[in-house]
Amino acid sequence: EVQLVESGGGLVKPGGSLRLSCAASGFIFSNAWMSWVRQAPGKGLEWVGRIRSKADGETTDYAAPVKGRFTISRDDSENTLYLQMDSLKTEDTAIYYCTTEIAVVISSWFDPWGQGTLVTVSA
Amino acid sequence: DIHLTQSPSSLSAFVGDRITITCRASQSISTFLNWYQQKPGTAPRLLMYSASSLQSGVPSRFSGSGSATDFSLTISSLQPEDFATYYCQQSFTSPRTFGQGTKVEIK
Repeated sequence: EVQLVESGGGLVKPGGSLRLSCAASGFIFSNAWMSWVRQAPGKGLEWVGRIRSKADGETTDYAAPVKGRFTISRDDSENTLYLQMDSLKTEDTAIYYCTTEIAVVISSWFDPWGQGTLVTVSA
Repeated sequence: DIHLTQSPSSLSAFVGDRITITCRASQSISTFLNWYQQKPGTAPRLLMYSASSLQSGVPSRFSGSGSATDFSLTISSLQPEDFATYYCQQSFTSPRTFGQGTKVEIK
């Protein structure tokens, strides 16, 4: 069974840092493009960023609101995805989901999704 | 960035109704459009990919159509388990973007 399990969420003060993890199982993690998507309380979905597979250069892309503050990395030996969040702002408060970006030819979609982990940025 | 606008933002319907949700892109995205369902307190679930392909395990009452800038998700006969929020998402370019969501409620 394909499974993604996030951890590491919690309460942090503005300006602080937090690292989220996403443990993957049931598929060949090293071949997968992985993304983080967040959802502020009562709001819609917002793509945070993505890391490509090692075979595709392990390059990253980020949404404008987090670029320069968040860093996505991966440890293929541990089947784990990370999101390092620095200089956190109150507007970063959200549930953070990890998800696999399935690519077929030139199309792609997000499936599956983890259960999410809540990050609260508050003084 | 490509902006996706869903309509309506919410709707009320009876069990058994046929409903359609639309998603309009700010520029042409071919058929690089996906649909997700999210129930309260749970993660999103993929329903449709590439505008009209049904994800494995999703009931056939769900269908999708469209290309370029105009897309739709139709539920042919609404079931109690379909009351949820639905999001479209484009994979034409980065950053990936989502519509604002359409909440489907019981009438």
